[in-house]
Amino acid sequence: AQSVTQLDSHVSVSEGTPVLLRCNYSSSYSPSLFWYVQHPNKGLQLLLKYTSAATLVKGINGFEAEFKKSETSFHLTKPSAHMSDAAEYFCVVMNTGFQKLVFGTGTRLLVSP
Amino acid sequence: DARVTQTPRHKVTEMGQEVTMRCQPILGHNTVFWYRQTMMQGLELLAYFRNRAPLDDSGMPKDRFSAEMPDATLATLKIQPSEPRDSAVYFCASGKEQGVITGELFFGEGSRLTVL
Repeated sequence: AQSVTQLDSHVSVSEGTPVLLRCNYSSSYSPSLFWYVQHPNKGLQLLLKYTSAATLVKGINGFEAEFKKSETSFHLTKPSAHMSDAAEYFCVVMNTGFQKLVFGTGTRLLVSP
Repeated sequence: DARVTQTPRHKVTEMGQEVTMRCQPILGHNTVFWYRQTMMQGLELLAYFRNRAPLDDSGMPKDRFSAEMPDATLATLKIQPSEPRDSAVYFCASGKEQGVITGELFFGEGSRLTVL
């Protein structure tokens, strides 16, 4: 079965510095991978998705992620953090057959001034 | 601006009471999901509908939970009787699945349930 592991439960950065949120996946075949973001007291929103078309995926709000098969990783990055980026980020893998998303445990991003 | 609408946003009830949560998916979406979010378990899939038919409810406690889609504009999640361990945020999400499975879901803002 497919699964994802988010390596950090919390990440703290200063505004204007780079963001790195780490995710490793486990899958017996080429997976579909996603990053979703959840702002406080809100629902989840799709940030970006990888579906084998290109290994570097660009998403909304300046975020991007790179699929690395050799490392089974799908880390999320942003060159410069903004205060509004403070939220919880979920790495997600999609099971085959239907839209069943398997969520990681989440990484809470804290951005300080 | 199309969005998934969930009601109620907050619900406080006593143990043993029936709770019904409602979801209006985005018009034109043919898949609906119910997720439960807790600090301990994270996000868990409870039920999944495609074209109003239940395809997967293996994550749902069958003895007290039930999920239905009376029509394409309404999905319901019912708990009877409710227990304190059901306290969580329940999310509804909808998507469009037409041959290509995109995995892109649109989430509502959740129903926060507290069972005393």
